[in-house]
Amino acid sequence: GNSVTQMEGPVTLSEEAFLTINCTYTATGYPSLFWYVQYPGEGLQLLLKATKADDKGSNKGFEATYRKETTSFHLEKGSVQVSDSAVYFCALKGDTGRRALTFGSGTRLQVQP
Amino acid sequence: GAGVSQSPSNKVTEKGKDVELRCDPISGHTALYWYRQSLGQGLEFLIYFQGNSAPDKSGLPSDRFSAERTGGSVSTLTIQRTQQEDSAVYLCASSLEAVSSSYEQYFGPGTRLTVT
Repeated sequence: GNSVTQMEGPVTLSEEAFLTINCTYTATGYPSLFWYVQYPGEGLQLLLKATKADDKGSNKGFEATYRKETTSFHLEKGSVQVSDSAVYFCALKGDTGRRALTFGSGTRLQVQP
Repeated sequence: GAGVSQSPSNKVTEKGKDVELRCDPISGHTALYWYRQSLGQGLEFLIYFQGNSAPDKSGLPSDRFSAERTGGSVSTLTIQRTQQEDSAVYLCASSLEAVSSSYEQYFGPGTRLTVT
């Protein structure tokens, strides 16, 4: 079945540091890939997505590239802010069968001023 | 426009009682999902409704859990004879189920269930 593996957290960075959160997946076919973010006390929000190989999703300074050869969708941001402190979830939706999202375990990011 | 809404936002119940959680999806969204977010298990899929098709119940953890969706809109998740391990945040999501939207799911704020 489908699965998503994310790097363990928490990740603690200073403001303006470079961020990478690793995400790899297992799926047959051509899944769609997503990053969701959950800010403290809030619900899940879609951060970015990519639906085919080599697509780059981007939003709010975050980027992730769908790499089919390495089955990865790593999240990056060049300069993090305190307001980026949140839990980040990598997720996939398969192109066949179940429509529901398969989530990674989440990575908590803490950005210090 | 209005997003996905869920009620109640918090629910505390005694072990053994039944609870009902409500989800109001985005208008026009044909698909509705229930997920559960708990400390030990992360985010787990529970059940999926799409139009008039039979729901995909493959994620329901036991027969104490059931859900229905009336008129293709509002959904209710029912947990009978609650147990302490049912304590979690229950999330509802809806989507347009169209290739053009990449089947993007929009999540509600969740219902935090605490079973004492």
